[in-house]
Amino acid sequence: AQRVTQPEKLLSVFKGAPVELKCNYSYSGSPELFWYVQYSRQRLQLLLRHISRESIKGFTADLNKGETSFHLKKPFAQEEDSAMYYCALNTNAGKSTFGDGTTLTVKP
Amino acid sequence: DVKVTQSSRYLVKRTGEKVFLECVQDMDHENMFWYRQDPGLGLRLIYFSYDVKMKEKGDIPEGYSVSREKKERFSLILESASTNQTSMYLCASSFGYGKLSPLHFGNGTRLTVT
Repeated sequence: AQRVTQPEKLLSVFKGAPVELKCNYSYSGSPELFWYVQYSRQRLQLLLRHISRESIKGFTADLNKGETSFHLKKPFAQEEDSAMYYCALNTNAGKSTFGDGTTLTVKP
Repeated sequence: DVKVTQSSRYLVKRTGEKVFLECVQDMDHENMFWYRQDPGLGLRLIYFSYDVKMKEKGDIPEGYSVSREKKERFSLILESASTNQTSMYLCASSFGYGKLSPLHFGNGTRLTVT
């Protein structure tokens, strides 16, 4: 069975500092991985996906199959990045399995 | 832009009541999902559907059922609400088949069962 682990429930950094939100997965097949973000009082929305290899709002994430990780990184955190972040894995059946989420707080 | 609409933002129901949560999407997506979101537990899949009149159990289906009579509408039913079903319920949809499509979420329904 597939599993997604986000080891940090809470993460706090100062504005301008680098931030890394960790995500590890276990899945026997070839995974497709996503990061979703939920800002205060907003709906959960896609931040970025592994297959696109893009940078969204300064965030990037690289799939490391050897370490089975998909960590989310940003070199200079901003206060508006404060939110709940979920890592998710899609299986061949199209189902998404989510991690428990990390609440990021960026302090001024 | 995909819109997923959940009919109620907040609901308060009594133990034993039958509860209907409605979800509608406007982008002709094949797939629809119901998750519940609890602090520290992430999102857990209750039921999903890949087509009209089709349903599959997710990871925590006990105490729930679903209905998909039309492609755009996916309903979650709590046959007899219990206090441990107090939660935030999220509906989502996605396009096509396979694993490449991301989910599009509704705003959520916060259900309190007293």
